[in-house]
Amino acid sequence: VLTQSPGTLSLSPGERATLSCRASQSVGSTYLAWCQQKPGQAPRLLIYGAYWRPTGIPDRFSGSGSGTDFTLTISRLEPEDFAVYYCQLYIDSPPRWTFGQGTKVEIK
Amino acid sequence: QVQLVQSGAEVKKPGASVKVSCKASGYIFSDYYMQWVRQAPGQGLEWMGRITPRTGDTDFAQKFQGRVTMTRDTSINTIYMDLRSLRYDDTAVYYCVRDGTSDTPYAFDVWGPGTMVTVSS
Repeated sequence: VLTQSPGTLSLSPGERATLSCRASQSVGSTYLAWCQQKPGQAPRLLIYGAYWRPTGIPDRFSGSGSGTDFTLTISRLEPEDFAVYYCQLYIDSPPRWTFGQGTKVEIK
Repeated sequence: QVQLVQSGAEVKKPGASVKVSCKASGYIFSDYYMQWVRQAPGQGLEWMGRITPRTGDTDFAQKFQGRVTMTRDTSINTIYMDLRSLRYDDTAVYYCVRDGTSDTPYAFDVWGPGTMVTVSS
């Protein structure tokens, strides 16, 4: 199980956002990803393997953590960053994936 | 460019079945796992299952075992998700998703636009 906090984060453009994702037991960092979803759109992959950015993702997005605690940091919020963020975990044997409940980053 | 094109919105009655298709282009279809994820209105993301296009092998979330089938047609680079015995709480947007496989292991790197399935009497 993945638990994200806070549920909602109210910040202003230019501020730093720190989002948390906690797993109920220790997991391999390879298996943890983050995605972003804007209203009416499909999600978009931001981070995989806990801290790797896919091509095209701005470097203001960074991931960190290990074990049970992982963090997504947005160094300086741009207007287009206000969205819902989900963490995602792969679990082996049998293979399956689970998502956190999401953190909404809203304009303060 | 990599693209996933899904079939159009569906309205079904309780107890019916729905089949959603997803056509992939812009990459080697057999090289990447494909996933299905759904999202009920105003809710979070829920993983449904995975298909290996090369072999047709599938893995499903326990919640959907026995009620979902995932298939593929490699001749047209298309996967299908068939959900049976529909209930009102199956109303959701169903996303076809490419698993990054060796590019972005264990993460979903390309998402389709989604297909809205509404279950209504």
